[in-house]
Amino acid sequence: GEDVEQSLFLSVREGDSSVINCTYTDSSSTYLYWYKQEPGAGLQLLTYIFSNMDMKQDQRLTVLLNKKDKHLSLRIADTQTGDSAIYFCAENSSASKIIFGSGTRLSIRP
Amino acid sequence: KAGVTQTPRYLIKTRGQQVTLSCSPISGHRSVSWYQQTPGQGLQFLFEYFSETQRNKGNFPGRFSGRQFSNSRSEMNVSTLELGDSALYLCASSLVPGNDYGYTFGSGTRLTVV
Repeated sequence: GEDVEQSLFLSVREGDSSVINCTYTDSSSTYLYWYKQEPGAGLQLLTYIFSNMDMKQDQRLTVLLNKKDKHLSLRIADTQTGDSAIYFCAENSSASKIIFGSGTRLSIRP
Repeated sequence: KAGVTQTPRYLIKTRGQQVTLSCSPISGHRSVSWYQQTPGQGLQFLFEYFSETQRNKGNFPGRFSGRQFSNSRSEMNVSTLELGDSALYLCASSLVPGNDYGYTFGSGTRLTVV
């Protein structure tokens, strides 16, 4: 079946790195995504990774993909207060729709 | 270029009423998907339209329906509203269905049913 799981909360100190983890079930997914949702806003696509890649880096963001374990992670370097948001992991399932995780709420401590 | 536009932003309706939400995709995008977001269920896929045809449908009752016009604008309708329909309804557009590069989302319509 289709399911994407992620932990609900993460709290990090400003300036530290944040690592948000996700597991998915559809091994046929060709792309996996990270979306960010700020309060009162829609979802913003942060980055995506093709399933034949292990890693993708984009400025402060690093995505790691372990296809064998169906595990995806998002690392945010030098976390800032503006990074406070809910982060959604998602996969494009074989049913041609994007399946989202429940979201991880990232909070930043001073 | 303009993003995905959803109207209205906020809506309050009474149980039993019906509601219509509108979504204008990014210019040139022909695929529109709708999602319901609630604290308890997270993001749930409602349906996807492409070239005025529904391509995919989530697991929602028949009270939820939608359509797409020739200019790619889409509307979704919920009839006989229930309290549990209170949610943020998000529309997303992409060039084509199942666009591998991800969808662009609107800011959503927050529906409150009282």
